[in-house]
Amino acid sequence: TQLLEQSPQFLSIQEGENLTVYCNSSSVFSSLQWYRQEPGEGPVLLVTVVTGGEVKKLKRLTFQFGDARKDSSLHITAAQPGDTGLYLCAGDYGNNRLAFGKGNQVVVIP
Amino acid sequence: DTEVTQTPKHLVMGMTNKKSLKCEQHMGHRAMYWYKQKAKKPPELMFVYSYEKLSINESVPSRFSPECPNSSLLNLHLHALQPEDSALYLCASSQVGDLNYGYTFGSGTRLTVV
Repeated sequence: TQLLEQSPQFLSIQEGENLTVYCNSSSVFSSLQWYRQEPGEGPVLLVTVVTGGEVKKLKRLTFQFGDARKDSSLHITAAQPGDTGLYLCAGDYGNNRLAFGKGNQVVVIP
Repeated sequence: DTEVTQTPKHLVMGMTNKKSLKCEQHMGHRAMYWYKQKAKKPPELMFVYSYEKLSINESVPSRFSPECPNSSLLNLHLHALQPEDSALYLCASSQVGDLNYGYTFGSGTRLTVV
């Protein structure tokens, strides 16, 4: 299984602040995905990035895929309490398999 | 229909019981998966089904037995489990050979083995 490291593991910020979390690997992935998971629920797909250097925006969330397709970042602008959750990155390592990082637990305080 | 439905949502079973977890999707996905997730850990792949055939078993103990009766259904049969098997069991589906649209996960079954 390919190793994906996410940092920071835990982040607590005030409503309205900006934050960035990271997903890094020594391996190259054909695609990388970001999911958000809330307690007791399954992960929900936010975005898939495929091309090195790609930037995708989803409202206040900005996702970037590294040029070498080994790492990615998620930036949230003006965080809201509804952004609270566990953010998981996952890399496609073939045969329809995804390897998940341990996640970034984000808490946005009203 | 863009959902994956898992039943039951919660299950408590004894170590000598036999139970089954069920998963259903109607998105036309031909790949289906079982993942296990312990508290504060990422999901870990257990099984992959592709076109209703088991394609990957990630060295899962035989007390877990998957079954894919048709392209919409995926079951996980449980027998003689241990307390350490308590976890959130997640079912997911996707297109085969193209993960650009990612996995669609169900809400999971919270399993407690007593």
